[in-house]
Amino acid sequence: ETGVTQSPTHLIKTRGQQVTLRCSSQSGHNTVSWYQQALGQGPQFIFQYYREEENGRGNFPPRFSGLQFPNYSSELNVNALELDDSALYLCASSFTGRTSNQPQHFGDGTRLSIL
Amino acid sequence: QKEVEQDPGPLSVPEGAIVSLNCTYSNSAFQYFMWYRQYSRKGPELLMYTYSSGNKEDGRFTAQVDKSSKYISLFIRDSQPSDSATYLCATGSTLGRLYFGRGTQLTVWP
Repeated sequence: ETGVTQSPTHLIKTRGQQVTLRCSSQSGHNTVSWYQQALGQGPQFIFQYYREEENGRGNFPPRFSGLQFPNYSSELNVNALELDDSALYLCASSFTGRTSNQPQHFGDGTRLSIL
Repeated sequence: QKEVEQDPGPLSVPEGAIVSLNCTYSNSAFQYFMWYRQYSRKGPELLMYTYSSGNKEDGRFTAQVDKSSKYISLFIRDSQPSDSATYLCATGSTLGRLYFGRGTQLTVWP
């Protein structure tokens, strides 16, 4: 069983640039969630995608956007990068069904540094 | 008030000790409770998952939820140096948006 994979593992950008982070969900999973984890803090929910549509959003500005593809993989896009965007970005996948849902399983994240 | 409060530690115990990790939460609508373990430079790994109140045991790990006091606990018996990691509690009213504590850093020394 293949787990959640994220790419790239590390990324360095400068303020004002744009970035795209990628996530492949665990096999059998159809839902992807994205979290931001600042150093020494717990993950903060950005948004979730199910059936290729946003299915819930946390307190993040519109410059954070995402996509989910028919194979359930996902992208997180961040425009106009700010210094405070420096963090570990985590993708989590899970199965959402009509009668049961399952907890989220995480990838190892993309560490984004903004200079 | 944050949705989930967790003492960041650090917590340092000798090998073989019983470890108790705790969180409190504020929203009575939360009914899904999880503990994740995060090693340095890795993503969170799901350890325990419970729905509503009660206890759940898996090997050396026991998770407890007390919804009346909004208190979540994880106990680790016979702790091992390989248990050294950051432990994150998480909860939510659905399995969609999860609210995490800031994590407790645990070190088990031989």
